Amino acid sequence: DTGVSQDPRHKITKRGQNVTFRCDPISEHNRLYWYRQTLGQGPEFLTYFQNEAQLEKSRLLSDRFSAERPKGSFSTLEIQRTEQGDSAMYLCASSLVSGDTQYFGPGTRLTVL
Amino acid sequence: AQSVTQPDIHITVSEGASLELRCNYSYGATPYLFWYVQSPGQGLQLLLKYFSGDTLVQGIKGFEAEFKRSQSSFNLRKPSVHWSDAAEYFCAVVNFNKFYFGSGTKLNVKP
Repeated sequence: DTGVSQDPRHKITKRGQNVTFRCDPISEHNRLYWYRQTLGQGPEFLTYFQNEAQLEKSRLLSDRFSAERPKGSFSTLEIQRTEQGDSAMYLCASSLVSGDTQYFGPGTRLTVL
Repeated sequence: AQSVTQPDIHITVSEGASLELRCNYSYGATPYLFWYVQSPGQGLQLLLKYFSGDTLVQGIKGFEAEFKRSQSSFNLRKPSVHWSDAAEYFCAVVNFNKFYFGSGTKLNVKP
């Protein structure tokens, strides 16, 4: 069990550029979650998948954000036309079943200049 | 709406002293409750969780937490803090598959 991994760990981009992050969950976990964490705050829910189906999206997830989990394994989170307000840590987590412990990856820290 | 409150933003304790971090939640039913720890630049690591049963739960690294339904609290405790415990601690409640986190308590440990 290698845990949840995320790539890249850090991303610096200019305002208006598109960025994509990847998350590889624990292999047998069906559920995959994305969170955003800003300085001094706890993680905030963005979206989650049950296998390849995206079941819920937070209102925090604007139209510029899209997430996929095409084969029910890894997931990508894309942000189009980045804004400075998108600067945050993006965390991925996975769990075996609903309501169970979520195991978190190390996060991708995004800085938009 | 569900909410999790961690009233202490920063706490400083001396190494070897006892620790209690407070967490209050707002939720109708019996919640699933968690404590996570986050070290700088790291993801969140699970310390302990409460689903049901014994209201005093033991976790890793010598931490424990007690669920008190009457006070809607799930406070985290440790009898003797080590310098390596310096980190940020998050309480979380699960509702319909989503975790709701508190804003965290940053623990500083004095030598």
